[in-house]
Formats: sequence, C-alpha cells, structure tokens
Amino acid sequence: EVQLVESGGGLVQPGGSLRVSCTASGFTVSSNYMSWVRQAPGKGLEWVSVIYSDGRTYYADSVKGRFTISRDNSKNTVYLQMNSLRAEDTAVYYCARKGVPDAFDIWGQGTMVTVSS
Amino acid sequence: SYELTQPPSVSVSPGQTASITCSGDKLGDKYACWYQQKPGQSPVLVIYQDIKRPSGIPERFSGSISGNTATLTISGTQTLDEADYYCQAWDSSTVVFGGGTKLTVL
Repeated sequence: EVQLVESGGGLVQPGGSLRVSCTASGFTVSSNYMSWVRQAPGKGLEWVSVIYSDGRTYYADSVKGRFTISRDNSKNTVYLQMNSLRAEDTAVYYCARKGVPDAFDIWGQGTMVTVSS
Repeated sequence: SYELTQPPSVSVSPGQTASITCSGDKLGDKYACWYQQKPGQSPVLVIYQDIKRPSGIPERFSGSISGNTATLTISGTQTLDEADYYCQAWDSSTVVFGGGTKLTVL
C-alpha cells in the first residue's frame, strides 16, 4: 500500500528546534518530488518546502533560512529540520508526494507542532 | 508573490450543482488542481491538470479552466461533499494554495 507516515511533532519553546519525519511505503521517495505543507489551527493550507528527485530544494519565504528539507534514501524517509521556531509555526505538518503532474496525490496523516512557552 | 483567490464560502442544496472558482495571474498558463479536506482529515486530491480526475474520485467532480480562472464543479452535490476545498498551482519552483472555500450543503 502506498502511504506516508509522519512523526516527530510535539511541543517546543520559541527559538527551539524540532525535526519531523515522513516515512514512505509502497514507493521510493528519491524518485519523486516530496513536499511539506502545514496548516495552522483553523486556517488554510500553506506550502512549506519541496525536495526534487535530483536533490534540489525550495522553501516558502516564511521559513527560508530556518527550515531545511532533506531525505535519507536508505530509510525512504523525508525530513524537515525546523530551527528558530516561532509561535506562528504552530501547525499540523503534512508530508505529500507529487505523484501526478503539478499535484500532490498522496498525503500523510500529519503531525502536530506546537511552539509555545 | 503569487496568489490564488477563492471565495471563502459557497452554499448549495443537495442534488444541485456547486461551483467553486480559483483565480490567479496567468493561471491559464499553469496547471491548477483541487483538494477536498474534511474536518480532522488530510487533504484529498480531486482534480489535477485542470480537468483530470484521479482514480476513485466520483464522476460528479469535474474541473475546467477559462482564461485565468479555474473552476471546480460538483454535480448532484451530496451532503458528504460538505468540506473545505483548496486550489493549488506551481509558480516557478514553489507551490501556492488558494485560501480555501468552505462548501456548505443544506
């Protein structure tokens, strides 16, 4: 079965760091564009970052310089390292696969990140 | 930065047709897609490449594009279609979502 499972969310203090993970099954992450999308409580979807199959990475302006996307091919896992966290980074973080042209066809269940003192 | 504009809410009676629009500069030169999200659930892709429907998505969901406006149409709307709907497109190497439309079926 093709699926994505996120983990690593939790409560972190402002200015702190956290790494969330996304483990894939049924397909290979390195052969796909993989993205992180977040959703603050009661708000809409906000794109965060993407890693291309060739390793290039891109970020939303709101997280550039603070967040880093990466992958471990041996673990078939994509990561999002989040540093200098702010209250406004509080959200459910979803991992998604771009498996069809220009769209995300597979989404994980999400992992909640709360930035609060 | 690139923006996609959706109406905040749309209401429709059961069995009727619902239309949700998404507009953006030069959207006609890009591919638009649509996601359905129900409370507490992850988004589900319902339309991609403007008009294509993924396997498993009911035929009552359709997409169209005219100029710089993409439209998601739900024919014979059912109560289970009540959800938030988001359009999305790529702008260079970044992804943009519309603000979302809450579809109410009543």
